[in-house]
Amino acid sequence: AQSVTQPDIHITVSEGASLELRCNYSYGATPYLFWYVQSPGQGLQLLLKYFSGDTLVQGIKGFEAEFKRSQSSFNLRKPSVHWSDAAEYFCAAPSTGNQFYFGTGTSLTVIP
Amino acid sequence: EAGVTQSPTHLIKTRGQQATLRCSPISGHTSVYWYQQALGLGLQFLLWYDEGEERNRGNFPPRFSGRQFPNYSSELNVNALELEDSALYLCASSLGAQGQETQYFGPGTRLLVL
Repeated sequence: AQSVTQPDIHITVSEGASLELRCNYSYGATPYLFWYVQSPGQGLQLLLKYFSGDTLVQGIKGFEAEFKRSQSSFNLRKPSVHWSDAAEYFCAAPSTGNQFYFGTGTSLTVIP
Repeated sequence: EAGVTQSPTHLIKTRGQQATLRCSPISGHTSVYWYQQALGLGLQFLLWYDEGEERNRGNFPPRFSGRQFPNYSSELNVNALELEDSALYLCASSLGAQGQETQYFGPGTRLLVL
């Protein structure tokens, strides 16, 4: 069964600055990994996913994530953050019985 | 293409009552999942339905139950409501039943138990 951890509970960045949100995973075989974003009071929106192949995955809204097997990481990045990116970000992996196991989330604050 | 829809958006109940939450998956999706997002507890898996059958349930008491209809829509029922059931309930759907299928989420139903 896979599981994920997000070490950072809260991150603050300036608008226009680069962003990296961390996600570490544990797995039994080839990992499947996802990043979702949740705006306040809303559901989860899929940003990107990794199944296999290219380790650099492009997503929506200018986000990308890099799968690094040697570091057991799947960090989310964005070169230039916009104020509208302020939200909660979740890393997720499928576990037994099709349930998704979600990290505890990283809350992003963007300051002008 | 319409996404996952949920109703109602908000629900207020009193302790001991029953709540019914509804979910319509993306067209063509056969699997429906329910998650609870309670303050301070993160996203917790509740139930998985596929082709009308309950396939898996999380670590929740039996008063959390549901069903999936022939059109693949789903209903979550919470009986004997307790204050700690107050949470955002998220429904997700996937194209099939493979474990790695992407789950697409609806906007959620916010349940408040008074």
